[in-house]
Amino acid sequence: DAKTTQPPSMDCAEGRAANLPCNHSTISGNEYVYWYRQIHSQGPQYIIHGLKNNETNEMASLIITEDRKSSTLILPHATLRDTAVYYCIRHSMDSNYQLIWGAGTKLIIKP
Amino acid sequence: GAGVSQTPSNKVTEKGKYVELRCDPISGHTALYWYRQSLGQGPEFLIYFQGTGAADDSGLPNDRFFAVRPEGSVSTLKIQRTERGDSAVYLCASSLNPLVRNEQFFGPGTRLTVL
Repeated sequence: DAKTTQPPSMDCAEGRAANLPCNHSTISGNEYVYWYRQIHSQGPQYIIHGLKNNETNEMASLIITEDRKSSTLILPHATLRDTAVYYCIRHSMDSNYQLIWGAGTKLIIKP
Repeated sequence: GAGVSQTPSNKVTEKGKYVELRCDPISGHTALYWYRQSLGQGPEFLIYFQGTGAADDSGLPNDRFFAVRPEGSVSTLKIQRTERGDSAVYLCASSLNPLVRNEQFFGPGTRLTVL
């Protein structure tokens, strides 16, 4: 199964860090972890991706456990505009290039 | 710069009719993908183009669905004899070089409703 496991929904207070977990216990050594988000009525938006090391960009940080069986996406200072569905995706560069999406986590940022 | 655009934004058709959905990718992006998304679910892969050729069409549900990208830029998804179950949002995405980094840029989608 190429899918990941995420909680269906989460709440976070505005201004706080939002930590979104993802389980990928059967991930292969050549598979990356990608994160996208989808704001209501828009197309998905790339956030970040990683293989083994933790990654940070202007949008978020990605923490991957040493055994690579799980990861956490961190939005350091959540705003109301971060309310969206967040998708964690396993993706291998060695195979075809389709992304296989689960149902994601609905993150609601509350004022 | 311009992102991925899709037209029309909404399409309502009757069962049995033929529809075409258009995607304009980001200029210079060689890879193009079509997905469809039903309410409450993540996108479902349909087809992937590298240049003009369909490198992977394993996600097309049946032979009523077909897609082309004749000049390696604009792509058209064609659905024949539409059925009510085809109702969904059809998303198009493009990427620069998936061999290096598969960051896909998505369009806003076309909402197809089959009555």
